[in-house]
Amino acid sequence: GAGVSQSPRYKVAKRGQDVALRCDPISGHVSLFWYQQALGQGPEFLTYFQNEAQLDKSGLPSDRFFAERPEGSVSTLKIQRTQQEDSAVYLCASTPRTGASYNEQFFGPGTRLTVL
Amino acid sequence: AQRVTQPEKLLSVFKGAPVELKCNYSYSGSPELFWYVQYSRQRLQLLLRHISRESIKGFTADLNKGETSFHLKKPFAQEEDSAMYYCALAPSNDYKLSFGAGTTVTVRA
Repeated sequence: GAGVSQSPRYKVAKRGQDVALRCDPISGHVSLFWYQQALGQGPEFLTYFQNEAQLDKSGLPSDRFFAERPEGSVSTLKIQRTQQEDSAVYLCASTPRTGASYNEQFFGPGTRLTVL
Repeated sequence: AQRVTQPEKLLSVFKGAPVELKCNYSYSGSPELFWYVQYSRQRLQLLLRHISRESIKGFTADLNKGETSFHLKKPFAQEEDSAMYYCALAPSNDYKLSFGAGTTVTVRA
C-alpha cells in the first residue's frame, strides 16, 4: 500500500506569508508526528498526535506554528508570518499504534520550505 | 534532556572495507537507540534498533551504556550502503525521538 505522503513537496514563500503543509499518514495509523529538519541537521521533533488529539506540542518553535488533525487522519502544519529561519524540510511520520518508541515510525518524503 | 552526537559528518570507505559510524548519547534514564538511514532520493527509514539485537543488511550496533555509545558497524561495505545515517534516541517506552546530525557515508569502488 501507499506510504506516508506529503504535499506540496516544495514550497517557496515570501517572508510574512502563511503556509500550510499537508500530511497523509498510512491508512489506519493512530499516531502522527511532525519534525523540522534544518540544513545539515537531523530531524527535530515538533508535535505528536494520537488520533485527533494533539498530545504533545512542546517542539513547536513559536506560536506562529500550528498543527491539527481534526478527523484523526490527515494532518496540516500551518506556519503564519513565515520567517527565513523557518526554511527547512518538514517531515511527517506515522505509526500504527501509540507512539511508544518500540513502534517504528514511517516517514514521508518531506516538504522543503524556502522562505525568501 | 537527551542528546545524540554523531562526530563524523562524512565518512568515505572503499568497497569491501569495514565501516563504523560513531554515535554517542547523553540521557540520564534508560534509553532506546535506533539507526535510521536515508538513501539517495528516498525517505528516511528505520535500519535497526538496539532492543531487536538484529543484523540488518550486514549492519550491527551494540549499546554500550558505560561509554554511552551505539556505534554502527559493517565488516564489508558495499556500494549500496552509500547513504545518510542518523542515530536516534528515545526514552524507554516514549515516542519523542532525538536525532543526531547524521553521517554521510560514501562507499567507493
